[in-house]
Amino acid sequence: ETGVTQSPTHLIKTRGQQVTLRCSSQSGHNTVSWYQQALGQGPQFIFQYYREEENGRGNFPPRFSGLQFPNYSSELNVNALELDDSALYLCASSFQTGQGTEAFFGQGTRLTVV
Amino acid sequence: GNSVTQMEGPVTLSEEAFLTINCTYTATGYPSLFWYVQYPGEGLQLLLKATKADDKGSNKGFEATYRKETTSFHLEKGSVQVSDSAVYFCALSDDGGATNKLIFGTGTLLAVQP
Repeated sequence: ETGVTQSPTHLIKTRGQQVTLRCSSQSGHNTVSWYQQALGQGPQFIFQYYREEENGRGNFPPRFSGLQFPNYSSELNVNALELDDSALYLCASSFQTGQGTEAFFGQGTRLTVV
Repeated sequence: GNSVTQMEGPVTLSEEAFLTINCTYTATGYPSLFWYVQYPGEGLQLLLKATKADDKGSNKGFEATYRKETTSFHLEKGSVQVSDSAVYFCALSDDGGATNKLIFGTGTLLAVQP
């Protein structure tokens, strides 16, 4: 059983650019969530995908968007990057959605916007 | 809205000392409660969870009891080891069943000295 994997591990982008982060969910999992973790803070929920549909979104602007593919892997896209977007982006997968379901996290992608 | 408040760190202890990390929550419904641990350079790992009042979650010597009357979920360990040094996050899940979105506290850094 493979765990949650994210790519790339580190990324440096310039303000105004666009970025795509990728996540492969754990085998058997159909739900993927994305979180932003600023330095010294707890992770903040961006959105969740369940069977290729977005089924929940946090307080993030529309320039944060995502996709989930038929194999349940996922992408997070961020347009018009701002300096405050610098953070660790975490992907988490679970075998179903719903309160109390355990989420398994990847190691994250460290994004630096300069 | 729902929120989690954790004691601020860092918490510095000697090996074999007793650990308590306080966590209180605010929620409109009946949340599930979690403790996650983040080791340096890694993603989050679920440490333990409790899904209803008076439940006790436990794992690797760590324990936490879901106290509805005090809206608390304090993490305890009787004898810490150097390998327990990490950041600990308290979290809740309470989204009416739509998602397993997690709301995290800001994290507490634990440093255990030999």
